[in-house]
Amino acid sequence: DIQMTQSPSSLSASVGDRVTITCRASQFISNNLNWYQQKPGKAPKLLIYAASSLQSGVPSRFSGSGSGTDFTLTISSLQREDFTTYYCQQSYSLPRTFGQGTKLEIK
Amino acid sequence: QLQLQESGPGLVKPSETLSLTCTVSGGSIYSSDYYWGWIRQPPGKGLEWIGSIYYSGSTYYNPSLKSRVTISQDTSKNQFSLKLSSVTAADTAVYYCVRRIVVIVSTPTDIWGQGTLVTVSS
Repeated sequence: DIQMTQSPSSLSASVGDRVTITCRASQFISNNLNWYQQKPGKAPKLLIYAASSLQSGVPSRFSGSGSGTDFTLTISSLQREDFTTYYCQQSYSLPRTFGQGTKLEIK
Repeated sequence: QLQLQESGPGLVKPSETLSLTCTVSGGSIYSSDYYWGWIRQPPGKGLEWIGSIYYSGSTYYNPSLKSRVTISQDTSKNQFSLKLSSVTAADTAVYYCVRRIVVIVSTPTDIWGQGTLVTVSS
């Protein structure tokens, strides 16, 4: 299985900050990387697909980059509703695997 | 707008079989553009991919669960289902039914059901 490692596991920031979450794959996955946002008690929501493509309806303050084994999710200016948990997921091979999650908290 | 809705027992006894159904509304599951599948999340923990089914009937399972999992579809009812046998407390989780897009290289999961909590307990 491909292991996905997110860092940090938790992050404290303030409204308006720019933050970056990193996801590293244990082997090459090209651009087969998706990012999801999950709010408490809700299903995850697709933010970014194919490493850098913004899902329809997602605010442009979210962006993704990377290829190969190293990827980042950047939120350019944090809004209050962004303080929640984020997951990366690889789709290069089966089984599909997720990172352990990054919890973004208000400082 | 396409929607997914899970249904099934919220409580299953150890060693028995967990059975869930996902009803799809607003679109057909008989489409070459999508996979239909299941993802679970134990309380307070991360996400685990269980498996998927394609319109052709081809199935793909997580090897860690493969010996216990069956995913099937009923196109006449526009539903797909999950069966997980010989459950233990470790199978307690919120189970999500989901849609994945075939035609995008990273086959992202773009639509999720609301999720249903299944507890394994005697």
